[in-house]
Amino acid sequence: KAGVTQTPRYLIKTRGQQVTLSCSPISGHRSVSWYQQTPGQGLQFLFEYFSETQRNKGNFPGRFSGRQFSNSRSEMNVSTLELGDSALYLCASSLALPGYYEQYFGPGTRLTVT
Amino acid sequence: DQQVKQNSPSLSVQEGRISILNCDYTNSMFDYFLWYKKYPAEGPTFLISISSIKDKNEDGRFTVFLNKSAKHLSLHIVPSQPGDSAVYFCAFGNEKLTFGTGTRLTIIP
Repeated sequence: KAGVTQTPRYLIKTRGQQVTLSCSPISGHRSVSWYQQTPGQGLQFLFEYFSETQRNKGNFPGRFSGRQFSNSRSEMNVSTLELGDSALYLCASSLALPGYYEQYFGPGTRLTVT
Repeated sequence: DQQVKQNSPSLSVQEGRISILNCDYTNSMFDYFLWYKKYPAEGPTFLISISSIKDKNEDGRFTVFLNKSAKHLSLHIVPSQPGDSAVYFCAFGNEKLTFGTGTRLTIIP
């Protein structure tokens, strides 16, 4: 079974621009979560989508948004990029069954804002 | 509000010895606990988990211990191998997963 895929793997953007990242979950997984990883901060939860609806949201500004399509693929958008948005953005998919918490991660998109 | 703490940012252990990674949490509502391993340039990989109704779970060389009264989670790796060198994250779940900041484990040959 194919794993979680993320595109692109690397991205360089300029301050003020916007960016869209893509995630394809494991086949059959209906939940997709997004995380931001920066040095010393661990994985910070951005949001989770389930059946095309945002189910949970972390403490990030409104510049960070996402969506999920009917095939469970998800996109994340960051508008008006700031230098502090430079990070590894990770997507994780899950079966999202009651009492089942295991999430499976993609390789991430490394975003650099200059 | 840091609900999950991994107080040791790094740990070095001799090959063949036991590696012990620790995690403390404050939220009593967590009902599921997980460990992930991360290599550079890869996403985290699920390692082992334990539900709040248990205090121990084993999978091969990996054992996770949960002390609910102390709000403490630990991961034991025995024996440690060079391939275990990675960053380890603890994660806690109720409606979503909350991750610790990670501990970099280095196994010395």
